[in-house]
Amino acid sequence: DAMVIQNPRYQVTQFGKPVTLSCSQTLNHNVMYWYQQKSSQAPKLLFHYYDKDFNNEADTPDNFQSRRPNTSFCFLDIRSPGLGDAAMYLCATSRGFGYGYTFGSGTRLTVV
Amino acid sequence: AQTVTQSQPEMSVQEAETVTLSCTYDTSESDYYLFWYKQPPSRQMILVIRQEAYKQQNATENRFSVNFQKAAKSFSLKISDSQLGDAAMYFCAFHGSGNTGKLIFGQGTTLQVKP
Repeated sequence: DAMVIQNPRYQVTQFGKPVTLSCSQTLNHNVMYWYQQKSSQAPKLLFHYYDKDFNNEADTPDNFQSRRPNTSFCFLDIRSPGLGDAAMYLCATSRGFGYGYTFGSGTRLTVV
Repeated sequence: AQTVTQSQPEMSVQEAETVTLSCTYDTSESDYYLFWYKQPPSRQMILVIRQEAYKQQNATENRFSVNFQKAAKSFSLKISDSQLGDAAMYFCAFHGSGNTGKLIFGQGTTLQVKP
């Protein structure tokens, strides 16, 4: 089945140690998104790609970076994780306006 | 700027009964879509139902239906014959033509289903 896959499902990292989360899709969707979701809150958009065009949200910390080497893959890099970055990170894809998102299962990041 | 408001942080319903989750939104756009997403505990967020603003007919997907009131900017979700598997957090979301593909989520409503 076509889907959005996030690896790993759970990630533990040390305070200040760079970490990369990955997302892949078999849907061939143009748009890929990274959201941060803290417990019982709405997802917060960090950035998204429309094809190769990168769109950063104004309030996304500089600590967060992203790469999209091809249509299928997208990475979230956290350069120096702090305790406040512990959260669920959701990857989503979309065909475009009006189609809604297909979400991955998320990566739960713990910072120790 | 668009906003989405879910005024019910928590709701509960008895199994087999009907429950309605509320959502209001604010926008000046005329072309947009509205969605309800379901997020079970520790599980993937999935699309429940989708409504196009230009369509007056309310969307329906099996036991899930919406009451879309465009003038009032209201978009409620009705779940009929509630099942234990319906227990989840439900998010209302807005997608406008002018906001570069970004979904704007409400704060969420946690639905508890009692056996």
